[in-house]
Amino acid sequence: GAVVSQHPSRVICKSGTSVKIECRSLDFQATTMFWYRQFPKQSLMLMATSNEGSKATYEQGVEKDKFLINHASLTLSTLTVTSAHPEDSSFYICSAQASASYEQYFGPGTRLTVT
Amino acid sequence: AQSVTQLGSHVSVSEGALVLLRCNYSSSVPPYLFWYVQYPNQGLQLLLKYTTGATLVKGINGFEAEFKKSETSFHLTKPSAHMSDAAEYFCAVSESNNDMRFGAGTRLTVKP
Repeated sequence: GAVVSQHPSRVICKSGTSVKIECRSLDFQATTMFWYRQFPKQSLMLMATSNEGSKATYEQGVEKDKFLINHASLTLSTLTVTSAHPEDSSFYICSAQASASYEQYFGPGTRLTVT
Repeated sequence: AQSVTQLGSHVSVSEGALVLLRCNYSSSVPPYLFWYVQYPNQGLQLLLKYTTGATLVKGINGFEAEFKKSETSFHLTKPSAHMSDAAEYFCAVSESNNDMRFGAGTRLTVKP
């Protein structure tokens, strides 16, 4: 149980284009989903927290207009990187949390490369 | 706000040797503590967690960790390293449902 999927696993896009990453909880309802970013050989940095049906809460320094987060259902959250640039290249990991639970279940990550 | 410090960005052990990965935390309330393992280009897999109760926590793959409040530590150990244990390990702390903070990670290398 508690499986979280991400799609795509890898994506390469050209500078200036937008990319959407999906995060799905497959066997539970996720009232809260989290988006993390991980640079090579570094730790996970929380980008934003999203609650189903509400606007996402972004961490300081994360541009909400650049990283659009939608959590329209209890099993799906999306992260859209708008007008991507090479510096946005990174490993993006989502996690999902059920209601009244402290534990986060992590997706397998999405490797974004912007050329 | 809570925080985590992992001592040693890189630990190298021989196969069969003891593994000890260090984690110290800072928290204003009783914390929830976690250890995750990450293999290259993959997400995080939960090894073990401490919430309440017994301070010695056993996890998957033979790992265990002990919560020591007086030392604000949650070190991860395994009696005998296996080659497949080579990976990146992250300690994390949470004070509430919505706020998990990760340490910088420790890369474990296992020598044959």
